[in-house]
Amino acid sequence: NAGVTQTPKFQVLKTGQSMTLQCAQDMNHEYMSWYRQDPGMGLRLIHYSVGAGITDQGEVPNGYNVSRSTTEDFPLRLLSAAPSQTSVYFCASSYSRASNQPQHFGDGTRLSIL
Amino acid sequence: KQEVTQIPAALSVPEGENLVLNCSFTDSAIYNLQWFRQDPGKGLTSLLLIQSSQREQTSGRLNASLDKSSGRSTLYIAASQPGDSATYLCAVRPGSARQLTFGSGTQLTVLP
Repeated sequence: NAGVTQTPKFQVLKTGQSMTLQCAQDMNHEYMSWYRQDPGMGLRLIHYSVGAGITDQGEVPNGYNVSRSTTEDFPLRLLSAAPSQTSVYFCASSYSRASNQPQHFGDGTRLSIL
Repeated sequence: KQEVTQIPAALSVPEGENLVLNCSFTDSAIYNLQWFRQDPGKGLTSLLLIQSSQREQTSGRLNASLDKSSGRSTLYIAASQPGDSATYLCAVRPGSARQLTFGSGTQLTVLP
C-alpha cells in the first residue's frame, strides 16, 4: 500500500532553472494539495485540487504551477527557481475536501536553490 | 485570518512522564482539528482528528481534546517513551476553507 509517493526526495537547482516535483497517490483520493515547510513557519499551502481538471491557489502560489489531469497525479512545477523557494515540499491527499478523514502526506522533497 | 500557535517550541522530558502539548487557534469557526507527528526527514503522520462537534479523541496512549470556544486543543501523551521523540504539529481546517492551517510544531525529546 504505497499511499502518497513523492519524487525526487532531494534536488539541487540553480537559480532560473525549472523543474517538476511529482506526487502520486493510489487511494483514489479526490483532494490533493501541495505545502511547503520552512523553519519556524509550519506548513503553508501552495496549490490544491478538488478533483481531476480542477485546481486552485493556496496561501503562497507565486512561482508555482499545477495541473491535475488524472485522479492519481498532481505535479508541482517551478517555473524559474529562486533561492526563496528553497524548502521542503509535501504533497497531501484526502478523500474529499469536506471529508472527515485525515489527510495523508508523502515523505517530502527537499529542494535547494543555489 | 486563522493563526495557529504551538507552545512550547521544544520540550524535553524523562522517559515515563505524562506530558501535554498545547495548540491554540484564533478563529473558533473550525471544521476539525488534526494532530500530526513528524519524524526527522519524514512526512507527516496523522495521529488524531477531532471534529468540531467532539470534545476529545483517544488512540492508545494519546488523547487529544478540543475546546472550540476558547480556541485550544491539547495532546496528552501518557507514559512517554523515547520512540515518542518527534515534532508534533496541530492543524485546523476552517469551516469555510479548503486547506489546513498549521502550527509550527513542538519538538519533543523523551530521554531514556
